[in-house]
Amino acid sequence: SQKIEQNSEALNIQEGKTATLTCNYTNYSPAYLQWYRQDPGRGPVFLLLIRENEKEKRKERLKVTFDTTLKQSLFHITASQPADSATYLCAPGRRNQGGKLIFGQGTELSVKP
Amino acid sequence: EPEVTQTPSHQVTQMGQEVILRCVPISNHLYFYWYRQILGQKVEFLVSFYNNEISEKSEIFDDQFSVERPDGSNFTLKIRSTKLEDSAMYFCASSGGFAGNTEAFFGQGTRLTVV
Repeated sequence: SQKIEQNSEALNIQEGKTATLTCNYTNYSPAYLQWYRQDPGRGPVFLLLIRENEKEKRKERLKVTFDTTLKQSLFHITASQPADSATYLCAPGRRNQGGKLIFGQGTELSVKP
Repeated sequence: EPEVTQTPSHQVTQMGQEVILRCVPISNHLYFYWYRQILGQKVEFLVSFYNNEISEKSEIFDDQFSVERPDGSNFTLKIRSTKLEDSAMYFCASSGGFAGNTEAFFGQGTRLTVV
């Protein structure tokens, strides 16, 4: 069955540094991958979507890569700020998956001033 | 900015009671979803709904669960006879297309506590 793995340990970084979060998947080949942010007690908020034919996508300080050979996506936040502290969820999806999102466990990011 | 709204924000219920969680999706969206998140665990898909019928449901969505779009704006999740293990955050989401290749908009959730 498909498996999604994100760094289980919280990531602690200093303000201004680049945060890099990893999403690995096994046993399937997603056609796209979505990243969401979730704050405690709140619903996920969409950040970026990258498709299998795209190697990289950027939005402001965010960058996502999608390596279908390594079966991995990396999510980067450059010039991180304390306000970036949250849990980040990845959701790789198959072409025939329909509308549902299958999320990874999420990685908690803490940016210290 | 359009948003998905959920009510109530917190619901406490006795085991065995029925609960209805309510959602107002974004008005021009066609695809609706319910997810749940047990404390400390990942967000899990429950059900998707399109064109007034369920398009997919997970193993979690058993006969105790049902969904309905009673009018043109509301989307509800009913749990017929709540169990302790139903305690979780329940999120409603909507999208303008299949959420697979379009973004999904999530509500702020209803925290359900079964005692």
